[in-house]
Amino acid sequence: DSGVTQTPKHLITATGQRVTLRCSPRSGDLSVYWYQQSLDQGLQFLIQYYNGEERAKGNILERFSAQQFPDLHSELNLSSLELGDSALYFCASSPRPSPSPYEQYFGPGTRLTVT
Amino acid sequence: GQQLNQSPQSMFIQEGEDVSMNCTSSSIFNTWLWYKQDPGEGPVLLIALYKAGELTSNGRLTAQFGITRKDSFLNISASIPSDVGIYFCAGQREYGGSQGNLIFGKGTKLSVKP
Repeated sequence: DSGVTQTPKHLITATGQRVTLRCSPRSGDLSVYWYQQSLDQGLQFLIQYYNGEERAKGNILERFSAQQFPDLHSELNLSSLELGDSALYFCASSPRPSPSPYEQYFGPGTRLTVT
Repeated sequence: GQQLNQSPQSMFIQEGEDVSMNCTSSSIFNTWLWYKQDPGEGPVLLIALYKAGELTSNGRLTAQFGITRKDSFLNISASIPSDVGIYFCAGQREYGGSQGNLIFGKGTKLSVKP
């Protein structure tokens, strides 16, 4: 158990809908990262927050957004969902922000299926 | 987005065999991490490497940070059935911003020889 929690574990929704994925980092970790894992693209970095502020953006679509709250939990919002958004979404946490050398600890993921 | 070149893509192991896999990049990295992912689970950190040339062990696992800082290797000695899964390398590049975040290889899938 990494100490990172994610809810829900599974999510099935229809195209055009909007969903929210939730992540709680390890106790004491200030950085939260979101990743998307699909069969053809592998693990892709989406966005990072550190202590409530956006730190870095990766391959995140404009239809996707995230935020980190004062209690350090984070939410990833996916809107106008398309079939291609079906994937595993992982949250990871770390005590420090990049570019300091660091280790990231991953949560169990949310499997999103868009039908 | 950029990905690391990880090889082999898949391999079959027989209990007791040693296993090797590697990751290469055209860019310099200042951190290399190796993760293992089981089906339906999140990646679990196995080994972290922070210095070029560094050799680090975690039980039967040994990983090395290449001297050129463009590659890393993972070896598993005397494999056991629970070693099956997908192993990912991940690198953190030298500069800040989004380049400071992790870039992943596509994984090496370890399966048991039939």
